[in-house]
Amino acid sequence: KQEVTQIPAALSVPEGENLVLNCSFTDSAIYNLQWFRQDPGKGLTSLLLIQSSQREQTSGRLNASLDKSSGRSTLYIAASQPGDSATYLCAVSYTGGFKTIFGAGTRLFVKA
Amino acid sequence: DVKVTQSSRYLVKRTGEKVFLECVQDMDHENMFWYRQDPGLGLRLIYFSYDVKMKEKGDIPEGYSVSREKKERFSLILESASTNQTSMYLCASSLVWTSRFRETQYFGPGTRLLVL
Repeated sequence: KQEVTQIPAALSVPEGENLVLNCSFTDSAIYNLQWFRQDPGKGLTSLLLIQSSQREQTSGRLNASLDKSSGRSTLYIAASQPGDSATYLCAVSYTGGFKTIFGAGTRLFVKA
Repeated sequence: DVKVTQSSRYLVKRTGEKVFLECVQDMDHENMFWYRQDPGLGLRLIYFSYDVKMKEKGDIPEGYSVSREKKERFSLILESASTNQTSMYLCASSLVWTSRFRETQYFGPGTRLLVL
């Protein structure tokens, strides 16, 4: 069964800290992996998309890495800010069919 | 910018009612999706559509149906609402995908449905 797991489920850090969010997936035959941000009561906003042939993607203070062989991805947030407080979701798309599987998310609190 | 809108942000319905959730996108996207999001379960795909009048079941289609009469609009229908359909419903759209590339999905703001 294809599953996506995110650890931790919730995280609270002081402002300015560098932090890492983890995503693991059971089936390594992925097509791409995407990180989304979701603010309370809102839809999802795409942050970074990594194709299966890539190892990482960067956007501003965000860096996402992909290791297909171990079934893992990490989202690194540098110098965290209170505005980064949100839920971060990892989503894995698979070849051979139209299927995207989402993790349950990591809820991040950045304290001022 | 892609804009995906959903007809209601909050909705309260009674058990047995027929419920319509509407989603509209303005970027001529071929693909549209309906998900539900529940705490601890992540997003689960209910149905998706890759063209007008075309639809495919997702992981949890039971109790739902969909309609896509126009390219920009994708409707989710709860034929007879039940309390276990209380959830956050998210609509998304994306460009056509090929075997080599799959576009990112753009999400609407969500509809929080409460079935009493």
